Amino acid sequence: NAGVTQTPKFQVLKTGQSMTLQCAQDMNHEYMSWYRQDPGMGLRLIHYSVGAGITDQGEVPNGYNVSRSTTEDFPLRLLSAAPSQTSVYFCASRLWDKANEKLFFGSGTQLSVL
Amino acid sequence: ILNVEQSPQSLHVQEGDSTNFTCSFPSSNFYALHWYRWETAKSPEALFVMTLNGDEKKKGRISATLNTKEGYSYLYIKGSQPEDSATYLCAFNPPDSSYKLIFGSGTRLLVRP
Repeated sequence: NAGVTQTPKFQVLKTGQSMTLQCAQDMNHEYMSWYRQDPGMGLRLIHYSVGAGITDQGEVPNGYNVSRSTTEDFPLRLLSAAPSQTSVYFCASRLWDKANEKLFFGSGTQLSVL
Repeated sequence: ILNVEQSPQSLHVQEGDSTNFTCSFPSSNFYALHWYRWETAKSPEALFVMTLNGDEKKKGRISATLNTKEGYSYLYIKGSQPEDSATYLCAFNPPDSSYKLIFGSGTRLLVRP
């Protein structure tokens, strides 16, 4: 099993550009989520999904869109990038509706918006 | 706003020292408390997930305890080694959702040889 795979690892955007961060998992996890990590702050939840076709907002959803058309994939879209979205992004998954199940994290995407 | 507080923010110890960190969280409607270890340039990896008041978990030299009534968890490292250097994150589920996991800002541990 590859686990949780994120691409790209690094990305530089100009303000106003759009892009999609890809996340895929091969563990048949229903639950998938996106976090961002900023200096001095904990991981903050952007969006999450508990299964194909089901998504919901986390703590900091503004400026981001998600969709979940398959169990395996959970892409994160920035429609019009802003410098405030410069951050490290992590995708994570686990078995759904299992609060006592641990999260498995991808390797992260370092995004800079100029 | 629900906060997960971790202390201290950072900690420098000598190899062989034992150390502990604290995670404080709102104690109402508790679901689960997670601890993750995050090494520089890597992804966070789960250490423990605890659900019951009084839970104690152990993994090698690392152990954790949980008090849901007063809203805190301790992480202990016995005989710290340089490879223990990492940021230790705790996270908990807020009362309204078992799907959302709220993370603290972490305790950064540096173990000097």
